[in-house]
Amino acid sequence: EAGVVQSPRYKIIEKKQPVAFWCNPISGHNTLYWYLQNLGQGPELLIRYENEEAVDDSQLPKDRFSAERLKGVDSTLKIQPAELGDSAVYLCASSTSPWKQFFGPGTRLTVL
Amino acid sequence: QQQVKQSPQSLIVQKGGISIINCAYENTAFDYFPWYQQFPGKGPALLIAIRPDVSEKKEGRFTISFNKSAKQFSLHIMDSQPGDSATYFCAASRTGTYKYIFGTGTRLKVLA
Repeated sequence: EAGVVQSPRYKIIEKKQPVAFWCNPISGHNTLYWYLQNLGQGPELLIRYENEEAVDDSQLPKDRFSAERLKGVDSTLKIQPAELGDSAVYLCASSTSPWKQFFGPGTRLTVL
Repeated sequence: QQQVKQSPQSLIVQKGGISIINCAYENTAFDYFPWYQQFPGKGPALLIAIRPDVSEKKEGRFTISFNKSAKQFSLHIMDSQPGDSATYFCAASRTGTYKYIFGTGTRLKVLA
């Protein structure tokens, strides 16, 4: 089966610019996660969706970050405006149960 | 209370040797402990997981040892191979939360 697809794989932007990341989960996976992974650190959950509903967004910095999962399939994570400290890898994962999450390859964001 | 402490930060092992990575947690409500393997440019992938009702779980060359009283668990990689060279993350989760708390990762290098 196809894995979690993310695009773009790399993105370089100037600070204060907007940026968006796209994720296509594994077919049939109702749960979708966005994680932030800083260099040398483990992933940290930003938001979790059950179908189209954001059921846990407690770690999402809502002043500049937003996410959506229209029709309960693909999802987009947006940052506006980006700051230098946002440079990191943004991972998307999906699952049918909480016990095994399938991660995509991530989008590496560099903010200059 | 939510932290998962992982050590060592990096590890170099000769081919055929045993790699040991340790993790410790504080929150006794955690009841699921997975290990993820991440290769450069890829997302983490589930390697093996354990629940606190058993003290050891083995899958091929990979074994998790779990010490509930000490709130510690470790990953043992037997007969380590160069292909095992990757970053390993331990994690902890509580049933129903879908939220993983990841350790900071261990970069393993297996010398041929």
